[in-house]
Amino acid sequence: EPEVTQTPSHQVTQMGQEVILRCVPISNHLYFYWYRQILGQKVEFLVSFYNNEISEKSEIFDDQFSVERPDGSNFTLKIRSTKLEDSAMYFCASSDSVTQETQYFGPGTRLLVL
Amino acid sequence: GNSVTQMEGPVTLSEEAFLTINCTYTATGYPSLFWYVQYPGEGLQLLLKATKADDKGSNKGFEATYRKETTSFHLEKGSVQVSDSAVYFCALSEFTGGGNKLTFGTGTQLKVEL
Repeated sequence: EPEVTQTPSHQVTQMGQEVILRCVPISNHLYFYWYRQILGQKVEFLVSFYNNEISEKSEIFDDQFSVERPDGSNFTLKIRSTKLEDSAMYFCASSDSVTQETQYFGPGTRLLVL
Repeated sequence: GNSVTQMEGPVTLSEEAFLTINCTYTATGYPSLFWYVQYPGEGLQLLLKATKADDKGSNKGFEATYRKETTSFHLEKGSVQVSDSAVYFCALSEFTGGGNKLTFGTGTQLKVEL
């Protein structure tokens, strides 16, 4: 069964450094998402992406964040200058054009900012 | 804005016990409702969904009915197993024009013991 994959599974970085989290959505999906989950808190929506542009972003998704689909398979989340409060589990998700609202999630990347 | 409220965990049950995890929501319009499950060390997996009032979603012995009058989507299972131990998330979906944004509850941890 097709699945969403994410790399790396864990990332440790120093405050102020840039990180890029990578996702490979399911191949025929057209809608892509990033969510995050700070330890012990809710899963929160960050951004949705369709037709090579951001369709919606939350207030969390400020200028330090960006997303890109650099080729036909990858979907990336970049944090330009990480802060301590960016430490979280980041989930990528994708959905197809027929059942748009059913999102399939990757296993997540655990980011720790020191 | 939209919100989802779940019962607090952790919930500890003996194998074969009956499970209810309460979920209520606040939304404008008529969202679709979901239950996702997160097994230890894994990502979010779609467990079941319902797209309109009075729909019942079901999967792997779990059920939930979309109750518009009480704005609820409680998860039930008649006889839980140790393998059901996981964190369960209730969520609603809001169409944003370029995909759907999921709003999650805080998650309820279920532990099933022999």
